[in-house]
Amino acid sequence: AQSVTQLDSQVPVFEEAPVELRCNYSSSVSVYLFWYVQYPNQGLQLLLKYLSGSTLVESINGFEAEFNKSQTSFHLRKPSVHISDTAEYFCAVSRTGGGNKLTFGTGTQLKVEL
Amino acid sequence: KAGVTQTPRYLIKTRGQQVTLSCSPISGHRSVSWYQQTPGQGLQFLFEYFSETQRNKGNFPGRFSGRQFSNSRSEMNVSTLELGDSALYLCASSPGQGTSPSEQFFGPGTRLTVL
Repeated sequence: AQSVTQLDSQVPVFEEAPVELRCNYSSSVSVYLFWYVQYPNQGLQLLLKYLSGSTLVESINGFEAEFNKSQTSFHLRKPSVHISDTAEYFCAVSRTGGGNKLTFGTGTQLKVEL
Repeated sequence: KAGVTQTPRYLIKTRGQQVTLSCSPISGHRSVSWYQQTPGQGLQFLFEYFSETQRNKGNFPGRFSGRQFSNSRSEMNVSTLELGDSALYLCASSPGQGTSPSEQFFGPGTRLTVL
């Protein structure tokens, strides 16, 4: 079975400051990794994913995450946040060959303040 | 393309009743997954349907069931509702051609309140 740990339930940060949201996973088999974002009263949106290849993946809105197999981590980073980045962020894992079953972490609420 | 639609958006039921939630995936998508989101348990996988067959199942009691129709629309049913079933139920669709995960597109969810 797979599990995901998001170490921070809430992360407050000032606008234009950098941020890192931490995610660690546990699995006995190869996995794919995802970050989803959820804005208030909305469903989840895929932010970025790691399936294979380059361990550094980027999203179109400036977020990036790096897959670190030895540390079983997939931390999400952004060098300069904007007020509109305020949302809840979920890290998720899916085992290879496991279809679309996602195991989610408990989420990190990112609050960007002026 | 239209996104994933879920109906109804809000629902209030009483304990012991049953409920059916509906999900219409993005046109052309054949995989539909369901998730339950609660403040206490977070996001939990319920089941996935692909081409009318259940492909994956989470650890939920048999009161939770689902099905998928030939047009890929899916329904989930919860019988004998309990207070703890109050949650946001999210549906996600994807092309789902193989066993490797493809990008899933989530609907806005159905907010179920059990009184």
